[in-house]
Amino acid sequence: DQQVKQNSPSLSVQEGRISILNCDYTNSMFDYFLWYKKYPAEGPTFLISISSIKDKNEDGRFTVFLNKSAKHLSLHIVPSQPGDSAVYFCAARGGSQGNLIFGKGTKLSVKP
Amino acid sequence: IAGITQAPTSQILAAGRRMTLRCTQDMRHNAMYWYRQDLGLGLRLIHYSNTAGTTGKGEVPDGYSVSRANTDDFPLTLASAVPSQTSVYFCATSPSRSETQYFGPGTRLLVL
Repeated sequence: DQQVKQNSPSLSVQEGRISILNCDYTNSMFDYFLWYKKYPAEGPTFLISISSIKDKNEDGRFTVFLNKSAKHLSLHIVPSQPGDSAVYFCAARGGSQGNLIFGKGTKLSVKP
Repeated sequence: IAGITQAPTSQILAAGRRMTLRCTQDMRHNAMYWYRQDLGLGLRLIHYSNTAGTTGKGEVPDGYSVSRANTDDFPLTLASAVPSQTSVYFCATSPSRSETQYFGPGTRLLVL
């Protein structure tokens, strides 16, 4: 049973527009959420995170929104750039000693 | 060394052979992890270590063993490789169990 779900395997966006990547979770004990970005043949790179006590965290072009009642988080990239083309993984953690649980990833393609 | 190094970069292995994947870090992070990434399954935790001298099982530990003799090294051993262990293996570290994880470049393993 998947605890962290990324239901869109892929997303295609025009350069300059907004990219919205979605993630749903089932475990209400998750208290910390992260997004990682992965290029082919490289390891995942940490992008942005959010604690369950917040509903928004922003870092430059990247904003993560958390809706705890809906058990949903999203990553917004504005404006999207071709270099943002990568696989994005959502991850969640339950408690300070909990393991990270990853979604299956969404492949983002930003077209020039 | 800068960050996390993994060796080998890739390997083709005959089924039944023993193999050790190496992970070394120079960031003096206490916690280290091994994940495998399979197409359509995202990243799954194999084993982890909160600090030197301790290890724990993750989501998919069967067929793998780890040791943590010192802070910098966290080798992953496949005692008798099977084709289902064909995957990309990522080592990760974090300052402590509750902090953001950082990933190495990965090892591609093909078991025939």
